[in-house]
Amino acid sequence: EDKVVQSPLSLVVHEGDTVTLNCSYEVTNFRSLLWYKQEKKAPTFLFMLTSSGIEKKSGRLSSILDKKELSSILNITATQTGDSAIYLCAGGSNYKLTFGKGTLLTVNP
Amino acid sequence: GAVVSQHPSWVICKSGTSVKIECRSLDFQATTMFWYRQFPKQSLMLMATSNEGSKATYEQGVEKDKFLINHASLTLSTLTVTSAHPEDSSFYICSARDLRGATYNEQFFGPGTRLTVL
Repeated sequence: EDKVVQSPLSLVVHEGDTVTLNCSYEVTNFRSLLWYKQEKKAPTFLFMLTSSGIEKKSGRLSSILDKKELSSILNITATQTGDSAIYLCAGGSNYKLTFGKGTLLTVNP
Repeated sequence: GAVVSQHPSWVICKSGTSVKIECRSLDFQATTMFWYRQFPKQSLMLMATSNEGSKATYEQGVEKDKFLINHASLTLSTLTVTSAHPEDSSFYICSARDLRGATYNEQFFGPGTRLTVL
């Protein structure tokens, strides 16, 4: 059975801090690793990673995949209160996504 | 682009009634749609995968007679919760993807439907 594990499960930081969220996966027929941000409603897409070692960036967020270690990290620099959300990692196989439990990030002013 | 809508956004019903949730891809053709359920403070759990024109594939532990899925067109899938009970109260989210696109695993999520069964 496919499995995705995220850590930490929750994290509280102050504005301006840098955070690193971790994701490890065991997915049969692995195709890609995806990161989503979920606030009050459905998840919004952040990144999709398919190649090992290539960093993807979007503003203060960046992510990288390590296929050897079966893991990925999501970095957020200079955090803001608007970054408070649940960050979901999902491993994609040939036909479906398996989600981790998420990391609840709280950024305090 | 890649917008997915769900209707209704929330519904309250009495125990024993059936509820239908619609999922539409607005600006692309969704060859595959997925239905997820999310309980409070938990992650998204895949319930079933539906391909246009064929029967849905249900995940282990999901009752196909209770959660009826229809994917009759490339832009619409419906989930019907039959004989709903309070334990079915949850956040139901659909997602859609176009297999003909380059980004194989990318799924676009609808805004979700909050179901409360009294």
